[in-house]
Amino acid sequence: GESVGLHLPTLSVQEGDNSIINCAYSNSASDYFIWYKQESGKGPQFIIDIRSNMDKRQGQRVTVLLNKTVKHLSLQIAATQPGDSAVYFCASNRDDKIIFGKGTRLHILP
Amino acid sequence: DGGITQSPKYLFRKEGQNVTLSCEQNLNHDAMYWYRQDPGQGLRLIYYSQIVNDFQKGDIAEGYSVSREKKESFPLTVTSAQKNPTAFYLCASSIGGQATYEQYFGPGTRLTVT
Repeated sequence: GESVGLHLPTLSVQEGDNSIINCAYSNSASDYFIWYKQESGKGPQFIIDIRSNMDKRQGQRVTVLLNKTVKHLSLQIAATQPGDSAVYFCASNRDDKIIFGKGTRLHILP
Repeated sequence: DGGITQSPKYLFRKEGQNVTLSCEQNLNHDAMYWYRQDPGQGLRLIYYSQIVNDFQKGDIAEGYSVSREKKESFPLTVTSAQKNPTAFYLCASSIGGQATYEQYFGPGTRLTVT
């Protein structure tokens, strides 16, 4: 069946290092991909999105990479800070819906 | 301030009672969505509405009902038929309903049914 999943449930990163969170999707027809950040007890917050006509997009301290050949996308966070501690979800479109993965929890080590 | 509001933040109900969760947006968005989130899980789509007076079932619609009488409002009723209603409920909206636009989320309502 269709799924949007993450490779690791938890990722621990030293403060100041770069973080890379990976995601795999299964629907070849997906053409829109999003990363969300969710802090404890709050709603998800949009980080960055990318459409299938691009393979890389950069924001402030974040970069999303899309590899359509292997149906994989990643979120890179530069110079990880304590405020980056959260659960990160990837999502992709399927027909007229957005399908979310289960999330990766990012721990920042002092 | 523009955004999505959900109320209340915490809601407690006895088993067998229906309960309605509020979701209001002042972003002038056409599309609105309801998701359910269980601990350690992703978001699962309950219902969505692409336009006023129209809505569609998501992946887990059983035991839930919605209405979309106004563009800015999309209330969700959790009925007594929902077998496991305790969860964190998230409402979202987007400019368009074709799933190619960013969704803006509300702060969520945590429902506990005992």
